[in-house]
Amino acid sequence: EAQVTQNPRYLITVTGKKLTVTCSQNMNHEYMSWYRQDPGLGLRQIYYSMNVEVTDKGDVPEGYKVSRKEKRNFPLILESPSPNQTSLYFCASSFRRQTDTQYFGPGTRLTVL
Amino acid sequence: SQQGEEDPQALSIQEGENATMNCSYKTSINNLQWYRQNSGRGLVHLILIRSNEREKHSGRLRVTLDTSKKSSSLLITASRAADTASYFCATDLTGFQKLVFGTGTRLLVSP
Repeated sequence: EAQVTQNPRYLITVTGKKLTVTCSQNMNHEYMSWYRQDPGLGLRQIYYSMNVEVTDKGDVPEGYKVSRKEKRNFPLILESPSPNQTSLYFCASSFRRQTDTQYFGPGTRLTVL
Repeated sequence: SQQGEEDPQALSIQEGENATMNCSYKTSINNLQWYRQNSGRGLVHLILIRSNEREKHSGRLRVTLDTSKKSSSLLITASRAADTASYFCATDLTGFQKLVFGTGTRLLVSP
């Protein structure tokens, strides 16, 4: 089944404790990205990747890191999480460009205390 | 803001009724996409309409696009309780190579 998976689905952590949210897609998509969704603010892009070893900042990259060592994986790293990073996070992939149909993961609900 | 603006923000109807939600945008587009999000879940692509198209159908969904008014509408006919979700438009703005999501319309379909 073609899908985007994320782990964990739910995470409660404390300020400053490094964490990684994994994302994997099995559709051989070139483009992958991370979004955060907050009430009233819609979806905002954090980082994106056009292909392996090619990443770039989205609209709200501060406090986040990403890497794309393999085509299928695109982990999101929070080196020192803060409470303002409490949010619902989505990984998405598409065939080649951001403007192609996006396939979203199920989401990761992160709470930073 | 470059976002598409959905209208209304929330819509409550009975099963069997039609639901119409609108999306307006500010600059020219290459295409416009509609997505559905069940509560707390990932977005699911519904339909894509290109700038040179005026109407598309997919099952009970009908999407129209009026580029002169810079607006699109999503019509769900004969709605069901399972259609309860948030619906987002996403615009592929010309020259930006970026998909910009709106803030969504929350649809509640009561049995």
